[in-house]
Amino acid sequence: DIQMTQSPSSLSASVGDRVTITCRASQSISRYLNWYQQKPGRAPTLLIYAASNLQSGVPSRFSGSGSGTDFTLTISSLQPGDFATYFCQQSDTAPHTFGQGTKVDIK
Amino acid sequence: QVQLVESGGGLVKPGGSLRLSCAASGFTFSDYYMTWIRQAPGKGLEWVSYISGGGTAIYFAESLKGRFTISRDNAKNSLYLQMNSLRADDTAVYYCARARSRVAADDFWGQGTLVTVSS
Repeated sequence: DIQMTQSPSSLSASVGDRVTITCRASQSISRYLNWYQQKPGRAPTLLIYAASNLQSGVPSRFSGSGSGTDFTLTISSLQPGDFATYFCQQSDTAPHTFGQGTKVDIK
Repeated sequence: QVQLVESGGGLVKPGGSLRLSCAASGFTFSDYYMTWIRQAPGKGLEWVSYISGGGTAIYFAESLKGRFTISRDNAKNSLYLQMNSLRADDTAVYYCARARSRVAADDFWGQGTLVTVSS
């Protein structure tokens, strides 16, 4: 199975901060990398698909980049509704493994 | 609008069985791969299985092969997960989700159904 490693596991940030989360795959996954946001008690929602494509309805302050094994999710200016846990997922090869998650909370 | 509604969760004893269902609406169900993903309490996401739109392609996480079975009924717009020989570590919220292809992201998720395995 392809292992997905996210960093950091958690971070504290303030409204307006720029936040960067990284995800590394144990082997090349081309650009088949997706990012999800999950708030407590809710199902995850898709933010970014295929490394850099913004899902419909997702604010443009979210962006993704990368290819091969190294990927990044950036929130350009953190908003109150962005405090949540973020997961990366590879969809190149089944099983479509997830990273362990990054919890973003209020500093 | 797109809806995925899971049902069938509950409390079951170790060694027991459950069948989860996912009712889909608002899109052409047979055009989509369907996926089960689970999340143990306080833990991360674990991909369980997918099935292709026609039901001919199925993949399971290695650790679950032999105990769980995925199926779908396109006439009923429904996805199923049959879970046998349940163990305490199968306790989780089980989500169904849709994907446009084998390599696509899971672009819409249901609200989840909780399965608790305990004596």
